[in-house]
Amino acid sequence: DAGVIQSPRHEVTEMGQEVTLRCKPISGHDYLFWYRQTMMRGLELLIYFNNNVPIDDSGMPEDRFSAKMPNASFSTLKIQPSEPRDSAVYFCASSLRGQPQHFGDGTRLSIL
Amino acid sequence: AQSVSQHNHHVILSEAASLELGCNYSYGGTVNLFWYVQYPGQHLQLLLKYFSGDPLVKGIKGFEAEFIKSKFSFNLRKPSVQWSDTAEYFCAVTLSGGYQKVTFGTGTKLQVIP
Repeated sequence: DAGVIQSPRHEVTEMGQEVTLRCKPISGHDYLFWYRQTMMRGLELLIYFNNNVPIDDSGMPEDRFSAKMPNASFSTLKIQPSEPRDSAVYFCASSLRGQPQHFGDGTRLSIL
Repeated sequence: AQSVSQHNHHVILSEAASLELGCNYSYGGTVNLFWYVQYPGQHLQLLLKYFSGDPLVKGIKGFEAEFIKSKFSFNLRKPSVQWSDTAEYFCAVTLSGGYQKVTFGTGTKLQVIP
């Protein structure tokens, strides 16, 4: 079991640029979650999918953020345009219904 | 709405001291409860979980938690902490049915002093 795989591990980019974060969930898991973690706000759920369908995106900060899950083995979180306040660690997690979540190693995003 | 409260934001203990971290949730339905640990620079990992049955749950690394339904609590305990337990601890709650939206607490940073 390879675990949840996120890429890139680190991303540094300038304000205004488009940022795309990628996640490959554990095979067979039917739930996928995107989280953002900062010192100020802690761990925040941004959006989650069930069977590739977005169920709750109420945590997405604003229209600059979008997430897709085109198939069961891949999801993206996109920020366009990026701003310095988007700097954070973004985690992807997957699970089976009712079971604990497995987290990826995260993407450390810095917007200059 | 579902919520999880962790009242201790930062705890400092000496090695061998006993640990208890509080977790209270507000939801009237049947819930599943979790504790996750995040070591510095790493991702969250499952420490233990409660679904049903014995309310005293034992997890990895000597941790345990007790589900007290009447108090809506799921406190984490360890009789003797080690320096390697320095980490951030998150309590989490999800419905036992329906869509699995997990609500995390704000986390408790534990610092163990050698």
